[in-house]
Amino acid sequence: LAKTTQPISMDSYEGQEVNITCSHNNIATNDYITWYQQFPSQGPRFIIQGYKTKVTNEVASLFIPADRKSSTLSLPRVSLSDTAVYYCLVGEYSGAGSYQLTFGKGTKLSVIP
Amino acid sequence: DSGVTQTPKHLITATGQRVTLRCSPRSGDLSVYWYQQSLDQGLQFLIHYYNGEERAKGNILERFSAQQFPDLHSELNLSSLELGDSALYFCASSDSGTQETQYFGPGTRLLVL
Repeated sequence: LAKTTQPISMDSYEGQEVNITCSHNNIATNDYITWYQQFPSQGPRFIIQGYKTKVTNEVASLFIPADRKSSTLSLPRVSLSDTAVYYCLVGEYSGAGSYQLTFGKGTKLSVIP
Repeated sequence: DSGVTQTPKHLITATGQRVTLRCSPRSGDLSVYWYQQSLDQGLQFLIHYYNGEERAKGNILERFSAQQFPDLHSELNLSSLELGDSALYFCASSDSGTQETQYFGPGTRLLVL
């Protein structure tokens, strides 16, 4: 079963770039890596998804090395409103078309003024 | 607002009881996923339905069951409830398969006394 590992918490000052890394050693060949943001008492919200190399959208970048055993979410110039928990999600396909979706334990990002 | 609705928002019940949680996916989405979020376990994938058929099972207990109806809404049934079943239950929807972006509902907070 895929296991994902993330730091439990991170602190950052406003305006800084924040990088959160997720390890997923057992990622399967056709699995994508997806990152979600969650505020208290709300459902997770999609941030970015990638398969390999680098993906960038209007809110974040995702870096995935060639071996795909980890991924790094990069948030440029964070603000107080980025204080949240960030989760990586990896799917793992097993035999007979079955799969598992494994969330990391989440990284609690605290942005300091 | 993700477009995914869940009812009820809060539920308080006693051990041994049975409850039903309801989820309506975004318009046009065929997939519904159920997750359990507790403080000690994080986000746990329970089950995935696609267009009425079960696609994958995660860490879902035998006391729990789900179904997706022809109108694509889904219900999660939890029976013989235990104190440890107290958690936030989220459903998410996507327009097709597992690699697509999932849109999460606001969750149902279940408290078992």
